[in-house]
Amino acid sequence: AQSVTQLDSHVSVSEGTPVLLRCNYSSSYSPSLFWYVQHPNKGLQLLLKYTSAATLVKGINGFEAEFKKSETSFHLTKPSAHMSDAAEYFCVVSEVGSARQLTFGSGTQLTVLP
Amino acid sequence: KAGVTQTPRYLIKTRGQQVTLSCSPISGHRSVSWYQQTPGQGLQFLFEYFSETQRNKGNFPGRFSGRQFSNSRSEMNVSTLELGDSALYLCASSLDRSAIYEQYFGPGTRLTVT
Repeated sequence: AQSVTQLDSHVSVSEGTPVLLRCNYSSSYSPSLFWYVQHPNKGLQLLLKYTSAATLVKGINGFEAEFKKSETSFHLTKPSAHMSDAAEYFCVVSEVGSARQLTFGSGTQLTVLP
Repeated sequence: KAGVTQTPRYLIKTRGQQVTLSCSPISGHRSVSWYQQTPGQGLQFLFEYFSETQRNKGNFPGRFSGRQFSNSRSEMNVSTLELGDSALYLCASSLDRSAIYEQYFGPGTRLTVT
């Protein structure tokens, strides 16, 4: 069985400071991991994905995430926050070889202060 | 390439009625999945279709059903609507069923049950 825990429901940063959104996962098999972002009244947009290649994954809009198997973590980072980054972020796991099903974390609401 | 489209975008129904939501995947994508998003339960997997067959189903009552057509377009149906069915229903398409393929989400259909 697969599961995802997003450790913070809300994160608040000042514009221009680093962003860290934390995610731990549990998976019986080799997982694929994703980060999605959802702006208000919008659908989900893929930020980046990990599928057993490089452990440091670069995504869109300056975001990146590092897969750490020993810590079962997949934290999302960005060196410098922008006002447009304010949104809800979801960490997602999908097990390679299993039926096609995404398991979502509960989400982290990112607020960017001017 | 056009993204995932969902119709209608907004819907208001009365308890006891039934509703059908439509999803057109990205051209060439063969897997279509449906998710329900609510403030209380977050994002939950409903079902996945591939080659006109339901391949996987989440933990929802039988009132929730769906189908996929030969052109990969999909519909989901909810019968005997309950107040708790009020939610954002998201459709996602993927090139294939393997977990390494990311899912692309539509903007969603906002269903309100009164």
